[in-house]
Amino acid sequence: AQSVSQHNHHVILSEAASLELGCNYSYGGTVNLFWYVQYPGQHLQLLLKYFSGDPLVKGIKGFEAEFIKSKFSFNLRKPSVQWSDTAEYFCAVGRGGSQGNLIFGKGTKLSVKP
Amino acid sequence: DADVTQTPRNRITKTGKRIMLECSQTKGHDRMYWYRQDPGLGLRLIYYSFDVKDINKGEISDGYSVSRQAQAKFSLSLESAIPNQTALYFCATSETRLAGTDTQYFGPGTRLTVL
Repeated sequence: AQSVSQHNHHVILSEAASLELGCNYSYGGTVNLFWYVQYPGQHLQLLLKYFSGDPLVKGIKGFEAEFIKSKFSFNLRKPSVQWSDTAEYFCAVGRGGSQGNLIFGKGTKLSVKP
Repeated sequence: DADVTQTPRNRITKTGKRIMLECSQTKGHDRMYWYRQDPGLGLRLIYYSFDVKDINKGEISDGYSVSRQAQAKFSLSLESAIPNQTALYFCATSETRLAGTDTQYFGPGTRLTVL
């Protein structure tokens, strides 16, 4: 069965530190890849997505992610985090084409200390 | 996202009661989903609907039912609520395209507590 693994349950950083959140998936076919962010008390919002083309994807608020097909990975990065980045981050994978369904990872909670 | 609304936003109920959570969308999307979120477990798919006549079970459909009353409305029912259904419930929508079909847009969530 398809699955998505997020390696870190809780990451604590100081402001200006660099961030990398890991995401691996277990599906061998064509995939669509997503990162969603959930700020405290809010709903999920799309941060960035990859469907095809350049494997380095840039999203909102300075986030980027790199799709490495050989590693089945789609790690999220940000060079310098801010206190306002405190949130929970979810990686999600959808099968290519028009399947529609997404499989979500269990999430990584990011706490940024001012 | 105001395009996807959920009612109620919070609900406290008792074991055995029937509960309905409602979702409406003005995005014109044909696909709608219901998820539950539990701490440490991420989002798990309960039911999804690709159009009004197409309803499918997700990963954890037991104890839940759904109704797609119209393209814009998708309701989730708990026929007889139990405490382990206490969770945050999200509705989501997406549209069908040749590519990029899977981007989902989420409602604000309903926090349900079953005592």
